Amino acid sequence: GAGVSQSPSNKVTEKGKDVELRCDPISGHTALYWYRQSLGQGLEFLIYFQGNSAPDKSGLPSDRFSAERTGGSVSTLTIQRTQQEDSAVYLCASSLDAGTDTQYFGPGTRLTVL
Amino acid sequence: KQEVTQIPAALSVPEGENLVLNCSFTDSAIYNLQWFRQDPGKGLTSLLLIQSSQREQTSGRLNASLDKSSGRSTLYIAASQPGDSATYLCAVRKSGANNLFFGTGTRLTVIP
Repeated sequence: GAGVSQSPSNKVTEKGKDVELRCDPISGHTALYWYRQSLGQGLEFLIYFQGNSAPDKSGLPSDRFSAERTGGSVSTLTIQRTQQEDSAVYLCASSLDAGTDTQYFGPGTRLTVL
Repeated sequence: KQEVTQIPAALSVPEGENLVLNCSFTDSAIYNLQWFRQDPGKGLTSLLLIQSSQREQTSGRLNASLDKSSGRSTLYIAASQPGDSATYLCAVRKSGANNLFFGTGTRLTVIP
């Protein structure tokens, strides 16, 4: 079946603008994760959704970052008042559940804040 | 906080060689460990997942081992091919945590 998809693949925005990044997980996967990969740094966890439970937001770097997951499927990561340090590749992953299963990653959205 | 280190940061080998990539983690209370490859401009592809109770996993020319008590994992690639050229990432899931902690990766180049 189809893998995890993300849109847009690339996004260039001006400092101070809001952006929305979209993730479509693999059908039937209940767990969804957002990570960020900055230049020269490893991947860092942002937020996690599992079914209808409250999300784990412990990795969000500031209150300018938020995410939601509608109907237990599609997720949107929103960054308000973007800053240059927000420039990174934003990766979404899903897994069948949060237990022992492999996380499957999408191709990412490359965000550039000018 | 779990810290994951990968050595070396970059590696170049001639085609056909066997090679080992190393991963170490500071907190041995892990749930599982996963190896990924990342091709330029693309997402991550899962290679192998080892549960904390397991010692190794094999898939084709790849073999991953886990020594939880010493905080180490290795990824062995046999008979390397140019198509193996990519960045290899090790990621650990801590017990009780939902997310993965990633190393910074090893960039592998296999020279034809």
